[in-house]
Amino acid sequence: DQQVKQNSPSLSVQEGRISILNCDYTNSMFDYFLWYKKYPAEGPTFLISISSIKDKNEDGRFTVFLNKSAKHLSLHIVPSQPGDSAVYFCAAISNRGGSEKLVFGKGTKLTVNP
Amino acid sequence: DARVTQTPRHKVTEMGQEVTMRCQPILGHNTVFWYRQTMMQGLELLAYFRNRAPLDDSGMPKDRFSAEMPDATLATLKIQPSEPRDSAVYFCASGLGGRSTEAFFGQGTRLTVV
Repeated sequence: DQQVKQNSPSLSVQEGRISILNCDYTNSMFDYFLWYKKYPAEGPTFLISISSIKDKNEDGRFTVFLNKSAKHLSLHIVPSQPGDSAVYFCAAISNRGGSEKLVFGKGTKLTVNP
Repeated sequence: DARVTQTPRHKVTEMGQEVTMRCQPILGHNTVFWYRQTMMQGLELLAYFRNRAPLDDSGMPKDRFSAEMPDATLATLKIQPSEPRDSAVYFCASGLGGRSTEAFFGQGTRLTVV
């Protein structure tokens, strides 16, 4: 039962263009969403997050959009750089009831071509 | 230099042997997570602790896996006996808990059971 789904295993974009990574979730109790970035042989590192009370959060080249009615979020990277090539994980959490399970999607491998 | 430290980085063992993976969370963090990454399942939550107490280990096969926090600076994940299907990368992550849900990951232990 995959509660957080990243349906695109991979994405390839040209340097300087926009990268859009998508994520869908099924659990309506999720109220906080995060994106992690992972390079080979390293652990995931936190990139950006968004609370369910917002529909957009921006940090430099990275913007996360949340559409609660569609249970969908996306990560936009503009402009994309070769160093952004990594696996991106979408994660969600429900803080209600004291539970802090951080549930991850399976990841999308982004390749930014020079 | 605050980071989550995991040992060993790599472990190759024979089926049936006991495997112990260790994690030193970031000093001051009160929440510790254990994740397993496989190609098929992505990042699965195995267990997590708050203030050294196990809060949820529902993702962990109980018959062979055990997770403990002997003290605030050490978390362990033990597999006994190990099986080839346990081959994966195991990540430990720590965080401050509460509304600050960002988790910091270690570099992982790559386990191969032959």
